[in-house]
Amino acid sequence: GAVVSQHPSWVICKSGTSVKIECRSLDFQATTMFWYRQFPKQSLMLMATSNEGSKATYEQGVEKDKFLINHASLTLSTLTVTSAHPEDSSFYICSASTLAGVATQYFGPGTRLLVL
Amino acid sequence: DQQVKQNSPSLSVQEGRISILNCDYTNSMFDYFLWYKKYPAEGPTFLISISSIKDKNEDGRFTVFLNKSAKHLSLHIVPSQPGDSAVYFCAASEDDKIIFGKGTRLHILP
Repeated sequence: GAVVSQHPSWVICKSGTSVKIECRSLDFQATTMFWYRQFPKQSLMLMATSNEGSKATYEQGVEKDKFLINHASLTLSTLTVTSAHPEDSSFYICSASTLAGVATQYFGPGTRLLVL
Repeated sequence: DQQVKQNSPSLSVQEGRISILNCDYTNSMFDYFLWYKKYPAEGPTFLISISSIKDKNEDGRFTVFLNKSAKHLSLHIVPSQPGDSAVYFCAASEDDKIIFGKGTRLHILP
């Protein structure tokens, strides 16, 4: 089946630093990639949707200057948390989909970010 | 305002019995509903989905029922197995965006 990887799987950083998270579709081309965030005991919240070669579409309330998304190729999307603060600590999950539609979103394993 | 609600944060079921996970939604424009299973520190895994034009979809031990008039769907797992212990997310889609519920933690008891 389709595999999506994320790197790193976990990261600890100091407040004020920037952290980049990579999301890769390993055996298929992803026309669209999604970035989610999950707080403990809460649902997965969609942060942004990105299509290869175009700017990401951010959900309401998500700061696009803080969460930079780049989708440079059909197999790679990156999320950069700029000037991270403790409140950005969370579990970030990406998913990738093909033209087949929403039911074929494949999720990555997630990245746990802890900002000290 | 939660558009997808899973009102039971946890559920315990005896191994071999039926597990029924419930989900309610508010947006009548949702065109697809999905269930995902998630283990700790892992991404969600797709389980089963149902189009809004259907009322039932079955795949092995998993069956999803949709009641559009009540804006309610449920996931039935029968028979329940130890490996089914996980968090189950109900999700609904509109225009290729997926909105998730908060999840229900299912414990399968030996």
